[in-house]
Amino acid sequence: DAGVTQSPTHLIKTRGQQVTLRCSPISGHKSVSWYQQVLGQGPQFIFQYYEKEERGRGNFPDRFSARQFPNYSSELNVNALLLGDSALYLCASSGGTSVYNEQFFGPGTRLTVL
Amino acid sequence: AQRVTQPEKLLSVFKGAPVELKCNYSYSGSPELFWYVQYSRQRLQLLLRHISRESIKGFTADLNKGETSFHLKKPFAQEEDSAMYYCALPRASNYQLIWGAGTKLIIKP
Repeated sequence: DAGVTQSPTHLIKTRGQQVTLRCSPISGHKSVSWYQQVLGQGPQFIFQYYEKEERGRGNFPDRFSARQFPNYSSELNVNALLLGDSALYLCASSGGTSVYNEQFFGPGTRLTVL
Repeated sequence: AQRVTQPEKLLSVFKGAPVELKCNYSYSGSPELFWYVQYSRQRLQLLLRHISRESIKGFTADLNKGETSFHLKKPFAQEEDSAMYYCALPRASNYQLIWGAGTKLIIKP
C-alpha cells in the first residue's frame, strides 16, 4: 500500500478560480479528513468524512466543500479562490470514526493563488 | 475555547543533551493529547499519544493536568531527532484535531 495519496502535488491558480484536490485513503480506511496548513502554522481542520457523510467541519467559509466517494476517496473543492487560500492542503485517513484514531497523512497538495 | 500552544518555534540543542518540547493546552474535561512529528521530506506521522503511556524513539510525554501541559521529553538527543514536532488535541464534538503551531527541533552535532 502506498499510503495516503494526494493529487496534484502542486497547483497554481489565480484569484477567483476554482480548484479541486483529490485524496485516496489507505486501503480499508473509511475516514478522510482535510487540513489546511499555512506556512509557519500547524494544520487547521477543514472537514472529516466517514462513509460518504460529513462528520465534522472546521471554521472555514462555504467556499470550501468536499465529498467522499463509494471507494472512500475524497475531493476538496475551493471556489472563488483568494490569495489567503495559498497553503499546503493535507489529507489524512484513519480506520475509524473516532478522532482518537491515529491519522495517516498524505504528502499534501501545495496550492498557490496568484 | 480549546487551544494548543507550543511556545517555541525553534529549539536547538546539542547531540546528547536533554530535550524538552513544550505543549500547553486549554480544555474542559479529560484531554487526550498527541504528538505528531514530521521529518525532513517525510509525511506528518504520529509519534506518541497520552493514553498509550509508551516511549517511542526514546521520547516520553506526561500529561500534567495541574499545569495543563503535555511536554515531550528525551534524555539524550540524537541527530535523527531533528524534525518539526506538533502537539494535537482531539475535539470529539466535531471530530476535529486542534494543532499547535509546531516546534522545529534542530540537533547540533
